[in-house]
Amino acid sequence: AQTVTQSQPEMSVQEAETVTLSCTYDTSESDYYLFWYKQPPSRQMILVIRQEAYKQQNATENRFSVNFQKAAKSFSLKISDSQLGDAAMYFCATPPDQTGANNLFFGTGTRLTVIP
Amino acid sequence: NAGVTQTPKFQVLKTGQSMTLQCAQDMNHNSMYWYRQDPGMGLRLIYYSASEGTTDKGEVPNGYNVSRLNKREFSLRLESAAPSQTSVYFCASRRGEGRTGELFFGEGSRLTVL
Repeated sequence: AQTVTQSQPEMSVQEAETVTLSCTYDTSESDYYLFWYKQPPSRQMILVIRQEAYKQQNATENRFSVNFQKAAKSFSLKISDSQLGDAAMYFCATPPDQTGANNLFFGTGTRLTVIP
Repeated sequence: NAGVTQTPKFQVLKTGQSMTLQCAQDMNHNSMYWYRQDPGMGLRLIYYSASEGTTDKGEVPNGYNVSRLNKREFSLRLESAAPSQTSVYFCASRRGEGRTGELFFGEGSRLTVL
């Protein structure tokens, strides 16, 4: 069975501080991509960052970075210098534990609150 | 620069009624997907289509049918709506070949079944 776990249903962070959202997954694939999506109150799903599993280097996009631990199947999102606009639901997305399947499974999400 | 367009945005149905959610993408993507989003459950895959002419079941296909009409369009049909199908539905398409690209989402369709 597919397992994508976001163990933190809710998180909060002070404006300008750093917060880390966790995600663990399970796949038997060796070459794959992982994604973090943001969903603000507008409901639109927005890509935040993606990580290629065969790359050792953690992905970075401005204030967003990943801590990818392939052996542990862990894929955390770090948000630095948090801003009010970062308040949203965050979902990690991973491939299924099914060779060749062309779809993504999502975690249950973490709701991030940014405190002014 | 439309991306992924889905209609309608909102719909209220009575139990037993049928309806079709339409989705179209203008990015020439091969793969398209239908997800549903429920509180506390994230996004769950209903059906997907890896290419024109093919469809596959996802995690929660029961009660739904899909049609990949052409490369651009992927519709989701509820033949006999049930209250358990009250949800927000998202259509998405995937950039690139294989399984490397990210998903692009429509704005979602809120469906209420009374």
